[in-house]
Amino acid sequence: AQSVTQPDIHITVSEGASLELRCNYSYGATPYLFWYVQSPGQGLQLLLKYFSGDTLVQGIKGFEAEFKRSQSSFNLRKPSVHWSDAAEYFCAVGPDYGGSQGNLIFGKGTKLSVKP
Amino acid sequence: DTGVSQNPRHKITKRGQNVTFRCDPISEHNRLYWYRQTLGQGPEFLTYFQNEAQLEKSRLLSDRFSAERPKGSFSTLEIQRTEQGDSAMYLCASSPPGQMNTGELFFGEGSRLTVL
Repeated sequence: AQSVTQPDIHITVSEGASLELRCNYSYGATPYLFWYVQSPGQGLQLLLKYFSGDTLVQGIKGFEAEFKRSQSSFNLRKPSVHWSDAAEYFCAVGPDYGGSQGNLIFGKGTKLSVKP
Repeated sequence: DTGVSQNPRHKITKRGQNVTFRCDPISEHNRLYWYRQTLGQGPEFLTYFQNEAQLEKSRLLSDRFSAERPKGSFSTLEIQRTEQGDSAMYLCASSPPGQMNTGELFFGEGSRLTVL
């Protein structure tokens, strides 16, 4: 069955420290992979996506993610965290956009807290 | 604000009552999605429209749930005979057609349902 696992429910990092949020997926075909962020009182916002090509993808707000097919992983990274990055982060996997269009499978999320 | 708009933002109801949520997508977006998010979980796909056609429904969408998009613009999600297990955040998202579609879903802020 298709699934997304985010092993860390809650992570706390100090402001200015580096960040890595883990995501593992199980998907039969070539996946389309996404990271979304959900800040309190706001809708989910796309940080970045991977469809094909370069396995290191850059997103908004200084985030990047690396697709590793051999590890079925798509970890999100940021070299220096800002207090405004405190939010919940969701990894998601989706089918080829030529087919089913919006049936994304989300992980349970990782809540990020940032210490001053 | 030209983002995805959802109403009402909060709804408290008694078990057995019917509730209806409305979603107004971004105006040029022809695709509209409903997701449900419960506490501690990621969003779960419910259903998807392309224009007025409902093209995909999740098994989560029981007989008590019905979604419509009569003119291909706004959509409604109705829950009949609500149960306590229906308590959740109901998220609406939209995406543009064809060449404009980058795979990103644009989410509204959600409608929170509490069933007493």
